Amino acid sequence: GESVGLHLPTLSVQEGDNSIINCAYSNSASDYFIWYKQESGKGPQFIIDIRSNMDKRQGQRVTVLLNKTVKHLSLQIAATQPGDSAVYFCAEKVPPEAGSYQLTFGKGTKLSVIP
Amino acid sequence: KAGVTQTPRYLIKTRGQQVTLSCSPISGHRSVSWYQQTPGQGLQFLFEYFSETQRNKGNFPGRFSGRQFSNSRSEMNVSTLELGDSALYLCASSLLGLAGDGDEQFFGPGTRLTVL
Repeated sequence: GESVGLHLPTLSVQEGDNSIINCAYSNSASDYFIWYKQESGKGPQFIIDIRSNMDKRQGQRVTVLLNKTVKHLSLQIAATQPGDSAVYFCAEKVPPEAGSYQLTFGKGTKLSVIP
Repeated sequence: KAGVTQTPRYLIKTRGQQVTLSCSPISGHRSVSWYQQTPGQGLQFLFEYFSETQRNKGNFPGRFSGRQFSNSRSEMNVSTLELGDSALYLCASSLLGLAGDGDEQFFGPGTRLTVL
């Protein structure tokens, strides 16, 4: 499959455990954040999003936490499964300064689930 | 419904050439965004087209350009290719695009461009 990164931080977790993936974002003006999952050979897939006026949002087996004070975002995956093995990216949407939105991505974290 | 499709899936070019990549969005989606993914720089936003107009733009040189047709299909062109342009080029479609909060983007599988 496609290689999406040769020097990504890697998180290895046992199947059934909870996973926490962290992301530091760069722009305090960012008002919307997204987590994506990218499996080998595929494009990124939307997991969950959160607006800047929230600090927590839950989905099915996933929770996103936002700490605007330290510009930190985390993705928690409950009861991690082998199918969760992938590269996870956070993205921030920066409001336009000169009429153009920007979507900026983190470098990614590779999650490996040990059966 | 059919997902986002990109053609070709793989492409090999030489320095100085130009290349055109194609993206067909999900039916009904009017926004198409393009991204470059490399091991060193990760995922970087190139530009977004909505209803045939470029609405948002990332920080790439003018050698990278695009267009969108009335059926929302989009093409991306890179002129005077450089070795550093070797990357996976991804497109994503959505209903409202970057201007719409909570509007999910659906990515295609990408075009792997290799510049020799």
